[in-house]
Amino acid sequence: DTAVSQTPKYLVTQMGNDKSIKCEQNLGHDTMYWYKQDSKKFLKIMFSYNNKELIINETVPNRFSPKSPDKAHLNLHINSLELGDSAVYFCASSQVGAGAIYGYTFGSGTRLTVV
Amino acid sequence: TQLLEQSPQFLSIQEGENLTVYCNSSSVFSSLQWYRQEPGEGPVLLVTVVTGGEVKKLKRLTFQFGDARKDSSLHITAAQTGDTGLYLCASRSSGNTGKLIFGQGTTLQVKP
Repeated sequence: DTAVSQTPKYLVTQMGNDKSIKCEQNLGHDTMYWYKQDSKKFLKIMFSYNNKELIINETVPNRFSPKSPDKAHLNLHINSLELGDSAVYFCASSQVGAGAIYGYTFGSGTRLTVV
Repeated sequence: TQLLEQSPQFLSIQEGENLTVYCNSSSVFSSLQWYRQEPGEGPVLLVTVVTGGEVKKLKRLTFQFGDARKDSSLHITAAQTGDTGLYLCASRSSGNTGKLIFGQGTTLQVKP
């Protein structure tokens, strides 16, 4: 199946730990994104990579570090987890082109709970 | 940064009723997309509108783009329980990064 898949689906961890979320897409898209959805369901962009190059880096704590080993993968590593990091994290991918409008394909999300 | 305001924030209706959800901005949209998100899943693209005054239909869903491209609406006819979910409008920010800015969403509950 063509899709954006992210793992794990659920992540429960203690404050201060370091954790990673992985994302892979087999759609052949050039651009991948990480979004954070808070408890009020608001989706906010964190990072974006185009063909392994970081192109969007919103105001996000340095504890969050994305890595894109190739254009089909975008991982998110979080150091020293805090209670406020609890949220659902979504990976997405799309094509991007001047003058063209493409939609996003989202993964099913990773619910991170920091206790 | 363009802000997208959606209304209402919550909507609870009976099966068979009609409803309209709105998305507004003080700035002109270059284009607008609507997504639906079901519990435990990621948002799924429903439609993209580009031209002012454009109307698109997807079965019982009708999407309108305002003439001035500063507002959009989603109308559902004869809602079904399967329409329950979070409806999000989104617009591309300027530049060529593909960055999508989302509205805060409308949570729709359709009761049997």
